[in-house]
Amino acid sequence: QLQLQESGPGLVKPSETLSLTCTVSGGSISSSGYYWGWIRQPPGKDLEWIGSVFYSGTTYYNPSLKSRVTIFADTSKNQFSLRLTSVTAADTAVYYCVRRPVGGGFDPWGQGTLVTVSS
Amino acid sequence: DIQMTQSPSTLSASVGDRVIITCRASQSINSWLAWYQQKPGKAPNLLIYKASSLETGVPSRFSGSGSGTEFTLTISSLQPDDFATYYCQQYNSYSPGFTFGPGTKVDIK
Repeated sequence: QLQLQESGPGLVKPSETLSLTCTVSGGSISSSGYYWGWIRQPPGKDLEWIGSVFYSGTTYYNPSLKSRVTIFADTSKNQFSLRLTSVTAADTAVYYCVRRPVGGGFDPWGQGTLVTVSS
Repeated sequence: DIQMTQSPSTLSASVGDRVIITCRASQSINSWLAWYQQKPGKAPNLLIYKASSLETGVPSRFSGSGSGTEFTLTISSLQPDDFATYYCQQYNSYSPGFTFGPGTKVDIK
């Protein structure tokens, strides 16, 4: 059974860079036909797609975050990562890593990790 | 950008009720729509993809329909485990520009 697990700091200072890693078990991120990505949800608010990396390595980002986001995969570790630069309090959210097959919905999801931006 | 709306925003229902949630897209998304259930403190769970395909393991009381700009999620007989928030999400098979709806909270009447 495929499982995803987020890891990274729970507290980031304003203007710094948020870095999270998703470790995948029970399957390979090199498997064809899948996107691996990040979604966030500020407390009490809506879900927002951040971006994805396709199994081929091609990346896709939410236009509203594109200037600050990098997503990349490390196939040797079966992990993919998120970097979000110049964070503000508005970036405080639960961050989820997800998989999506071409033509399908996001499944599975990691359990999520709360990242708070505060000095 | 494609905008998604859902109605109602909150729905009060009883166990055994038939529940229908509507999702609308600002432009045609063909059948590229998914539905998720989220419970407090948990990650969303995929219920339906491609508008009407039931995800493996999801109870058959959940069903989806629609195409173009209007979609519905139906729970045929609401169960205690179904009280949660439901989100629709649009996607394009060839371009991953994803947008979620604002959610519909189903609570106990």
